[in-house]
Amino acid sequence: DSGVTQTPKHLITATGQRVTLRCSPRSGDLSVYWYQQSLDQGLQFLIQYYNGEERAKGNILERFSAQQFPDLHSELNLSSLELGDSALYFCASKSGTAYGYTFGSGTRLTVV
Amino acid sequence: SQQGEEDPQALSIQEGENATMNCSYKTSINNLQWYRQNSGRGLVHLILIRSNEREKHSGRLRVTLDTSKKSSSLLITASRAADTASYFCATEQGPNAGGTSYGKLTFGQGTILTVHP
Repeated sequence: DSGVTQTPKHLITATGQRVTLRCSPRSGDLSVYWYQQSLDQGLQFLIQYYNGEERAKGNILERFSAQQFPDLHSELNLSSLELGDSALYFCASKSGTAYGYTFGSGTRLTVV
Repeated sequence: SQQGEEDPQALSIQEGENATMNCSYKTSINNLQWYRQNSGRGLVHLILIRSNEREKHSGRLRVTLDTSKKSSSLLITASRAADTASYFCATEQGPNAGGTSYGKLTFGQGTILTVHP
């Protein structure tokens, strides 16, 4: 257990639907980073939150949004899902600049 | 988009042999990190090397960084079957990178390592 908790582990949904992925960072970490891993794009940074505020945005589609709540957990909302959104979605947190990132075990999203 | 490339894409060796993976990147960096991923699971941080460091060791891992060539290598010595996994390098830019570049990792495509017992 890395300390970063992601739920659910697996999600199967139909095209056009909306899903919410949840992440709790490691205790004491204020930041949450979301990444998408797909076969064709590899690991791509989506978005970062720090203590409730959006800090950086990567290749995140307009159909996707995220937020970080006062208890520091974060949710990634994916809407109008397409087949190409099928991927592993990871969140990560970080303690400080001297350390690496701690990743959760991911949510495997399958859009059918 | 990916920051750089990893070489080789796949590596197959016998237990006890050494495994070397290379990573190249494109922009100036604050640090470079290596991660391991077992099939379809989460990434595990292995080692971080800062831009002002040239070599770092952690157990059976040795990482080198050449900022003039924008490249890094990961050496796993005396490999074991349990080392079978995908290995990714990832770069992190510093605060001067500004914009959306700071505070996120940019990953390479990864090397799939298979260690045969």
